[in-house]
Amino acid sequence: DVKVTQSSRYLVKRTGEKVFLECVQDMDHENMFWYRQDPGLGLRLIYFSYDVKMKEKGDIPEGYSVSREKKERFSLILESASTNQTSMYLCASSWLGEGGYTFGSGTRLTVV
Amino acid sequence: QQQVKQSPQSLIVQKGGISIINCAYENTAFDYFPWYQQFPGKGPALLIAIRPDVSEKKEGRFTISFNKSAKQFSLHIMDSQPGDSATYFCAARNQGGKLIFGQGTELSVKP
Repeated sequence: DVKVTQSSRYLVKRTGEKVFLECVQDMDHENMFWYRQDPGLGLRLIYFSYDVKMKEKGDIPEGYSVSREKKERFSLILESASTNQTSMYLCASSWLGEGGYTFGSGTRLTVV
Repeated sequence: QQQVKQSPQSLIVQKGGISIINCAYENTAFDYFPWYQQFPGKGPALLIAIRPDVSEKKEGRFTISFNKSAKQFSLHIMDSQPGDSATYFCAARNQGGKLIFGQGTELSVKP
């Protein structure tokens, strides 16, 4: 069964901490994505990557960075966590040119 | 231009009823329209999808109706069941291959 695995289901971090969210997919997908999900706002794209070491900003990249050193792994980095980054973070992957995404189960991050 | 507007934000339906969720878009270059279903504590999962050269697609109790001229598409859930209670997202794929998601609809089916 194909999988997108996010390393943590729940995280609690302090304001100002550097936070790493990890995502691994086993489907050899070229594309990987990071979204955040907030009530009433749907899924908003933070960053995406269409190849190793390639990245592009999504709609809300401020305060975030990403890393993709290997095809299967895509990391989201909160440089200095703030309370307004408290959210559900979802990782997804897809084939190049294929519209269907496979999502991970999400990481619920709370910044206190 | 890149937005997908989804309504309603929440929906309560009796068991056996029809659930209808609507989405509208502006960008005529969108070329793929999937619907995702998300249960609490899980990531969204692809439910059903349609391309703009088709006006309707049915899979079991789930149907997408697509109106290209009106730039609208909708999800119909026939004979809604309590197990269908979830959040539903419509989406549209842009020229860059990225999905643009609607705001989501929280569906509750009452027994």
